Amino acid sequence: GESVGLHLPTLSVQEGDNSIINCAYSNSASDYFIWYKQESGKGPQFIIDIRSNMDKRQGQRVTVLLNKTVKHLSLQIAATQPGDSAVYFCAENLRTGNQFYFGTGTSLTVIP
Amino acid sequence: GAVVSQHPSRVICKSGTSVKIECRSLDFQATTMFWYRQFPKKSLMLMATSNEGSKATYEQGVEKDKFLINHASLTLSTLTVTSAHPEDSSFYICSATRTGGLQSSQHFGDGTRLSIL
Repeated sequence: GESVGLHLPTLSVQEGDNSIINCAYSNSASDYFIWYKQESGKGPQFIIDIRSNMDKRQGQRVTVLLNKTVKHLSLQIAATQPGDSAVYFCAENLRTGNQFYFGTGTSLTVIP
Repeated sequence: GAVVSQHPSRVICKSGTSVKIECRSLDFQATTMFWYRQFPKKSLMLMATSNEGSKATYEQGVEKDKFLINHASLTLSTLTVTSAHPEDSSFYICSATRTGGLQSSQHFGDGTRLSIL
C-alpha cells in the first residue's frame, strides 16, 4: 500500500493504437507481480503475471516487462480496443506471505 | 471459473451503525481471504488477511476493533465495520485464494460500496 494517496494518472489512446502503462514498485523483495484491470464498480480482474526471474512475458494482446534494476513494470496492450478502457493496477507480492500490494493505477481511456 | 461473491453490493446507513460485509468463495475452498479498501480514483489498500480458523492479520494502521474479521469456514469471511462513521465510507473489496493454489489464484469479489450518512 505504499502508493496509496496518489491520484490516478490517466492515459488516452486511439482505438487500434498500442498502449503502454507503467508502474513503479517499491519493495526489492517482491518476486511476483500481477497486472489487474478494474472496471467501474467492479473488483479487479487478472490480466497477466510475471515472476522476478523473468523480464518479459506475453499473453494475448498483452505483454508485461519487468526491470528489477529500477523496480519498474510495464503493461503493453496491442491494438487497444474500447473494451480495454478501465483502470489498470500492478500488484506486487513479497517472497514471504500471500499478500499483494497494489500500485497507484492508471486510468486508460480508448477513443473510438 | 472461480467465483467470489460479496454481499451486499451497496449499503447506505446512518452514522453509528455496524455493517457486516460477506465474502464467499462459491466454487472453491479458500483458506485465506483478503480485505481491501478503495477510495474513489485511488488504489486498493490491503487492510487485512483473513485466515480460516485463526485470527486475522491486520496491516499497519488498520484498527482491529474497528474492522472485525471472521473467517469461520473455508468459503466465508466477514468484515464488520463497527460503529461506522462518514469517514468509513469507501469501496470494500475482498479476494480469496484457492487452498493449495498458486500465487496467481487470487479471485476478487465485485466490492461493496459503503456510504455512511
